[in-house]
Amino acid sequence: GQQVMQIPQYQHVQEGEDFTTYCNSSTTLSNIQWYKQRPGGHPVFLIQLVKSGEVKKQKRLTFQFGEAKKNSSLHITATQTTDVGTYFCAGISSGSARQLTFGSGTQLTVLP
Amino acid sequence: SQTIHQWPATLVQPVGSPLSLECTVEGTSNPNLYWYRQAAGRGLQLLFYSVGIGQISSEVPQNLSASRPQDRQFILSSKKLLLSDSGFYLCAWSLERLYGYTFGSGTRLTVV
Repeated sequence: GQQVMQIPQYQHVQEGEDFTTYCNSSTTLSNIQWYKQRPGGHPVFLIQLVKSGEVKKQKRLTFQFGEAKKNSSLHITATQTTDVGTYFCAGISSGSARQLTFGSGTQLTVLP
Repeated sequence: SQTIHQWPATLVQPVGSPLSLECTVEGTSNPNLYWYRQAAGRGLQLLFYSVGIGQISSEVPQNLSASRPQDRQFILSSKKLLLSDSGFYLCAWSLERLYGYTFGSGTRLTVV
């Protein structure tokens, strides 16, 4: 079945440093979505990418979808303490009737 | 605007007791509805999803069941809870599976 893997599992950065999390799928994806879950909270939808090679930006966050539509990344520039949380990617295999599969998440800690 | 309500926020139940968690969505019609479970520090596991009233699909065999008695109501149940049922239960909705999901605030269930 479809597997979505995320690395790293944990990341500690000093405030102001950059952060990147990577998402890899065992199958080609129709789309990739990214979510953020603050400690003690629920996942919140950030963005969806659907096109091969697509790049989208939200302020300090840059999202990329790979050319082969099997991988994605989220890059945060100059992290702030408000960026703390777990970032999940999620996708659906192309041509599949299955539902969204979530990656295991990357837990980001930002040290002040 | 659309809102999703999930209750209770926390629940402590003895082993062998029944469970009923309710989720309701406002401001939209015929949403796709989902139940996820998140173990501590782990990813999101899809338990059930529904594309319409009375239509329930189960992703994993388990001690739980789901029902959708009304268009915007989704219920997660168990007749007899196990210790392994402890976790963070999240309800979510989307317009359809290729759209972003909106999650409820979740229920933290501890089975003792």
